[in-house]
Amino acid sequence: DAKTTQPTSMDCAEGRAANLPCNHSTISGNEYVYWYRQIHSQGPQYIIHGLKNNETNEMASLIITEDRKSSTLILPHATLRDTAVYYCIVRVGSGGSNYKLTFGKGTLLTVNP
Amino acid sequence: GAGVSQSPSNKVTEKGKDVELRCDPISGHTALYWYRQRLGQGLEFLIYFQGNSAPDKSGLPSDRFSAERTGESVSTLTIQRTQQEDSAVYLCASSTTGTSNYGYTFGSGTRLTVV
Repeated sequence: DAKTTQPTSMDCAEGRAANLPCNHSTISGNEYVYWYRQIHSQGPQYIIHGLKNNETNEMASLIITEDRKSSTLILPHATLRDTAVYYCIVRVGSGGSNYKLTFGKGTLLTVNP
Repeated sequence: GAGVSQSPSNKVTEKGKDVELRCDPISGHTALYWYRQRLGQGLEFLIYFQGNSAPDKSGLPSDRFSAERTGESVSTLTIQRTQQEDSAVYLCASSTTGTSNYGYTFGSGTRLTVV
């Protein structure tokens, strides 16, 4: 799997948008970008994934650059409960043989009141 | 059940003892994974089960670690002769297939402390 680079930590004010960047300059054409988050003392939680088009769901939006070398996870209105470590992972999607998710250290997002 | 269930949630054991950790995956999920997370660290892959195929044990750190799964049901992770460096949160996840596009569902983990 391609390596990802994320900032170690970020802060965001409650109610504001949180924009979490991720660099994945060595991503292959068949690799998807996945985002998970881990709230303290809980297991990781799936947020969203995408290949090349921007994606949106009830939790977040994912913006992938045209060259696919970087992406941004957007939490449109951050709340205190969004304080967590956010992991950006690239992995071959369905049909591939690489089934493991390889987690780095992620970004600790702290939402401040 | 509605989610992945792990038990116990916390386990304190003496060095040298054996421990057994349990994972109940989501019903119908054929793929099951074990990960380990040491304090302040990322997740380390341990082992993967997919249906009746041979498991991928490539992440198990030593022969003191083993895991079993019967069919598509419960899995147990066993650590023999525990050492202090085994202290960590052990996380289990399941998914509909090994290459699902729709993410894994993790349990809340078992926090193992070896004293």
